[in-house]
Amino acid sequence: EPEVTQTPSHQVTQMGQEVILRCVPISNHLYFYWYRQILGQKVEFLVSFYNNEISEKSEIFDDQFSVERPDGSNFTLKIRSTKLEDSAMYFCASRLVTEPGDTQYFGPGTRLTVL
Amino acid sequence: AQSVSQHNHHVILSEAASLELGCNYSYGGTVNLFWYVQYPGQHLQLLLKYFSGDPLVKGIKGFEAEFIKSKFSFNLRKPSVQWSDTAEYFCAVNIYNQGGKLIFGQGTELSVKP
Repeated sequence: EPEVTQTPSHQVTQMGQEVILRCVPISNHLYFYWYRQILGQKVEFLVSFYNNEISEKSEIFDDQFSVERPDGSNFTLKIRSTKLEDSAMYFCASRLVTEPGDTQYFGPGTRLTVL
Repeated sequence: AQSVSQHNHHVILSEAASLELGCNYSYGGTVNLFWYVQYPGQHLQLLLKYFSGDPLVKGIKGFEAEFIKSKFSFNLRKPSVQWSDTAEYFCAVNIYNQGGKLIFGQGTELSVKP
């Protein structure tokens, strides 16, 4: 069964450094998402991406964040200058887009630790 | 703003006990409703979903959920849990035709004692 994959599984970085989290969505899916979960808190929506542009973004998704689909398979989340509070589990998800109740398929997540 | 509440943070049951996990959402319009499960060390997987039709939906592994529109609820049930159901369960909502972003509840950790 096709799966969403994410790399790396764990990223440790120093505050102020740039990080890029990578995702490979399911190949025929058209809608892509990033979510994050700070330890002990809810899974929160960050951004959705469709037709090569951002469809919607949350208040969390400020100028420090960007997303890109650099080729036909990868979907990346970049954090330009990481802060301590960016430490979280980051999940990528993808969706086919055939009906409103389409399932989002999630990747295993990248645990980001900012020191 | 729309929100989702799950009533129980941690539930501990013995095998064969019945399970009901509560989920309520706040939004007056049309929604799609989901329950996801995260087994230890694994990614979020869909258990079941509702977007139209019969409000009683059946999912994988014997789980079911009932959408009660008047109560803004989508509670998850299983008549007899197994040790392998130990996991974290997330209720999520998306607003119909608004791009599909999911709004999650805080999750319920279920521990099933053998």
